[in-house]
Amino acid sequence: DIQLTQSPSFLSASVGDRVTITCRASQGVGNYLAWYQQEPGKAPKLLIYGASTLLSGVPSRFTGSGSGTDFTLTISSLQPEDSATYHCQQLNSYPRTFGQGTKLEIK
Amino acid sequence: QVQLVQSGAEVKKPGASVKVSCKASGYPFAPYWIHWVRQAPGQRLEWIGWINPSNGDTKFAQSFRGRVTMTRDTSISTAYMDLRSLRSDDAAVYYCARGKLLPIGGQIGGQTAPALDYWGQGTLVSVSS
Repeated sequence: DIQLTQSPSFLSASVGDRVTITCRASQGVGNYLAWYQQEPGKAPKLLIYGASTLLSGVPSRFTGSGSGTDFTLTISSLQPEDSATYHCQQLNSYPRTFGQGTKLEIK
Repeated sequence: QVQLVQSGAEVKKPGASVKVSCKASGYPFAPYWIHWVRQAPGQRLEWIGWINPSNGDTKFAQSFRGRVTMTRDTSISTAYMDLRSLRSDDAAVYYCARGKLLPIGGQIGGQTAPALDYWGQGTLVSVSS
């Protein structure tokens, strides 16, 4: 199975900050990497797919990059509503696997 | 609008089975696979498998093979996940999600990449004697 490791696991930042979350895969996954945002008690929501394509309607302050084994999710100017847990998922091979999640707290 | 609505919370005893439903609306049901994902307290999301509603084909994670069945009823646009021989570590929120190939860079007709673009609200399954 492909292991996905996110870092950091917890992040505390202020409104307006630029934050970056990384997702490292134990084997190459091409660009079949998606990012999801999950608010407490709610289902995950798709933000980015294909490593870097923003889903329609997602604010442009979110960007994704990377390919192969190393990926990043960047929020350029943090907003209060960005407080959530962020998950990466690889869809290149079975079983589809997720990172352990990064909990983002707004100071 | 696309919606996936799941059945309500379940409380089961160890060794029992649970069947969770996922009713789709707002899009044609058959062409898009339904994936099942679970999240145990404090744990990462765990992919269980998918069902192809058009023909009933399924694929499961190795760790669930032999214990999980996925079915669908296309007449009511509903997918089902049945998990047997429940253990305490099966206690989790179970989600269904639509799998779709989405256009990379937003370019229709070009390269695509898979993702789970719509999710159900989740079904809490508790396992306790």
